[in-house]
Amino acid sequence: SQELEQSPQSLIVQEGKNLTINCTSSKTLYGLYWYKQKYGEGLIFLMMLQKGGEEKSHEKITAKLDEKKQQSSLHITASQPSHAGIYLCGADIKLKGEYGNKLVFGAGTILRVKS
Amino acid sequence: ETGVTQTPRHLVMGMTNKKSLKCEQHLGHNAMYWYKQSAKKPLELMFVYNFKEQTENNSVPSRFSPECPNSSHLFLHLHTLQPEDSALYLCASSQEEGRLGTSGRLSTGELFFGEGSRLTVL
Repeated sequence: SQELEQSPQSLIVQEGKNLTINCTSSKTLYGLYWYKQKYGEGLIFLMMLQKGGEEKSHEKITAKLDEKKQQSSLHITASQPSHAGIYLCGADIKLKGEYGNKLVFGAGTILRVKS
Repeated sequence: ETGVTQTPRHLVMGMTNKKSLKCEQHLGHNAMYWYKQSAKKPLELMFVYNFKEQTENNSVPSRFSPECPNSSHLFLHLHTLQPEDSALYLCASSQEEGRLGTSGRLSTGELFFGEGSRLTVL
């Protein structure tokens, strides 16, 4: 099974509507990241959350981290066509050894915004 | 423009060919990564180099061979690939690799990704 589960897998919203994407980890999180990707291109960093209860915003995108539940949510307010793309969550998870961690990613959520 | 450049952007090769993917960063970062992205699957971490030393090989088949001659350059040498190896190969860099130690945790931090190399194996 995947270490990070994202939901939904895809989403189509009408321009101007709000939406939420969720990311849940099966392991303890040591850093949660949100990235955006346009099809066939590299990932662009949106924000990083490290502490339980932490919330960050960038323009109309807000992300929260619930460390106890090992999950994060990404919320977009008043969606625009420019928000369309693939949203990926990533997380630092502990490796089996005493030291070291690994940055893993979810499968992504495809967002389409209809004008 | 993220400061990470990958070449070529597209590559088509036969199963008996030998080719290489190149990644270059001028951000002064010390960690570089290769990820594989296949349709509807999570990004798969393949290799990590931290200060030019390989610190992660995520059970990648030997037909993929990484090389990191210095902190700014990373290569992925390809030989006798299979059609299922067709994917988008993404290179990334970060200040340094995240490490958990007795003094506390150090997160990986922001990764800077290249635009990717789209590989098709015929």
